[in-house]
Amino acid sequence: QVQLVQPGAEVKKPGASVRVSCKTSGYYFTGYFLHWLRQAPGQGPEWMGLINPNSGDTNYAEKFQGRVTMTRDTSVDTAYMELSGLRSDDTALYFCAASTGTGDYFDYWGQGTLITVSS
Amino acid sequence: DIQMTQSPSSLSASVGDRVTITCRASQSIYSYLNWYLQRPGKAPKLLIHAASSLQSGVPSRFSGTGYGTNFTLTVSSLQPEDFGTYYCQQSYSFPPTFGQGTKLEIK
Repeated sequence: QVQLVQPGAEVKKPGASVRVSCKTSGYYFTGYFLHWLRQAPGQGPEWMGLINPNSGDTNYAEKFQGRVTMTRDTSVDTAYMELSGLRSDDTALYFCAASTGTGDYFDYWGQGTLITVSS
Repeated sequence: DIQMTQSPSSLSASVGDRVTITCRASQSIYSYLNWYLQRPGKAPKLLIHAASSLQSGVPSRFSGTGYGTNFTLTVSSLQPEDFGTYYCQQSYSFPPTFGQGTKLEIK
């Protein structure tokens, strides 16, 4: 079955960077876009960007341009999202999600990684 | 960015009830509308895509309608596992955007 596995949680200080991994299995990793979204407490999900695992091409939301970098390692079917210049309002649950259907909807999700930014 | 607005923001219902949730887009998104259910501490789960197409494995008590700017999600007979927060999401243009959510609680 399709699985996207993320680490549970990390605590970072303001100004630091964080790198979150998303280990996939059960589907053709390089065949489908992999997205990153985040969800602040009590808010709806917010799309951060996507990576084409086949080519490595990325498309970032304007809000995160210059602070986010998405990469992948096809040898281990894993995607990564790095966010720099962390602020307290970056505290959120970060999800990876795959789009394996016919549109830009998210049919498989990781369980989420809680990133807490605190001094 | 396209703004998505859901109503109501919360509602209480009983097992067996029929409930309807509404989602409105700030411009036409044709049929590029998807619905998710998120239970506390879990990732969202895709229920419906393209406004009315039931995702594989999702019970037939869920249905979606709409086109353009106005959409609805209906649960015909609520089950205990249907309680949580529902989100709509447009996939017509980048960036994909979500509504603020409708929290469905047990009465």
